[in-house]
Amino acid sequence: QVQLMESGPGLVKPSDTLSLICVVSGYSINSDNWWGWVRQPPGKGLEWIGYIHYSGNIHYNPSLKSRVAMSVDTSENHLSLRLTSVTAADTAVYYCARVPPTIGGALDVWGQGTTVTVSS
Amino acid sequence: DIVMTQSPPTLSVSPGERATLSCRPSQGINTYLAWYQLKPGQAPRLLIYNTSTRATGVPARFSGSGSGSEFALTVSSLQSEDFALYYCQQYYTWPSGTFGQGTQVQI
Repeated sequence: QVQLMESGPGLVKPSDTLSLICVVSGYSINSDNWWGWVRQPPGKGLEWIGYIHYSGNIHYNPSLKSRVAMSVDTSENHLSLRLTSVTAADTAVYYCARVPPTIGGALDVWGQGTTVTVSS
Repeated sequence: DIVMTQSPPTLSVSPGERATLSCRPSQGINTYLAWYQLKPGQAPRLLIYNTSTRATGVPARFSGSGSGSEFALTVSSLQSEDFALYYCQQYYTWPSGTFGQGTQVQI
């Protein structure tokens, strides 16, 4: 059974870099799936951050492209997300999720999310 | 970007009642629409993809429908565990797929 688990610092200072990890268990990250990061700011809707394939192909949300970097560690079977120069607007619950090739772009398995607060 | 408009923002229903949630895209998305259920502290759950296909393990009381400019998620008889936040997502323009603002289903 595939499971995803996000982890991160919880609290980040403004202008610092946010780093998150998503550990994938019960499933190889070396498979023909895309893996995505999505966030939900307090009281707001979901926003896609980016998608990455283990082959190295990446798509970033244009609104975040200048500040975001995603990577895949196939030996550790985890994904990483880095977001630089954070502000209060980056306060959100951050989720990782799988995008299988068979359903066109929907995200079929999600992690529970990790809450990140940007504050001094 | 395609804007997804969900209505109503909040839906108050009683257990056993039928609930219909609406999602309207600002332009055509073919059938590339999914619905998700979110509960606090839990992993979001994919309910419906490709407008009307139930994801694995999703009860038959959940159904999706629609085309063109209006899509809907219907819960035929609400159970206590169905009170949650629901989002639609278009992936016609994947990876630039956009989500709606959500509908909170409450008692």
